[in-house]
Amino acid sequence: DQQVKQNSPSLSVQEGRISILNCDYTNSMFDYFLWYKKYPAEGPTFLISISSIKDKNEDGRFTVFLNKSAKHLSLHIVPSQPGDSAVYFCAARDHSGYALNFGKGTSLLVTP
Amino acid sequence: DVKVTQSSRYLVKRTGEKVFLECVQDMDHENMFWYRQDPGLGLRLIYFSYDVKMKEKGDIPEGYSVSREKKERFSLILESASTNQTSMYLCASSRGYEAFFGQGTRLTVV
Repeated sequence: DQQVKQNSPSLSVQEGRISILNCDYTNSMFDYFLWYKKYPAEGPTFLISISSIKDKNEDGRFTVFLNKSAKHLSLHIVPSQPGDSAVYFCAARDHSGYALNFGKGTSLLVTP
Repeated sequence: DVKVTQSSRYLVKRTGEKVFLECVQDMDHENMFWYRQDPGLGLRLIYFSYDVKMKEKGDIPEGYSVSREKKERFSLILESASTNQTSMYLCASSRGYEAFFGQGTRLTVV
């Protein structure tokens, strides 16, 4: 049973515009949420995270928003660049667990 | 710089072979994980370990086993490789909430 859901398999955005990647979750015990970026034939790399006690975290061009009542988070990339083209995974951790639960990923394509 | 190293980038094995995937981390992390990534399915947890000689099943442990004899090393074993185990295998380690991943092993079973 998928506890972390990314319902958009792919997204295409023009360079310079905003990319918004969405993620929904079902487990109210999740206390940390993370976004990972993955290029083909490489391992995922950590991008940004947010604690469940916050509703926004910003790091340069990347901002993550958390809406706990809706069990929804989103990653905003502004401005988008061609190098941002990758698969983005949303992940969450249950405070009593060790492992991260991952969504299926969203493939972002930023076109010049 | 943190480092998780997987022994092979690419492997081709025959059906029925016993396959060992090795992973080493240099961050003194307690927790280590094995995931597989398949198109449309995301990252699925196979096994994890929270201490030396300790292991826990993840979501898809069937057909796999693991070994953690030393803190820095976590091995994934395919007892008898099958074609449906063709996949990208990813090792990770963590102490807190953030996991650090290796570069992945693309395994093809023919």
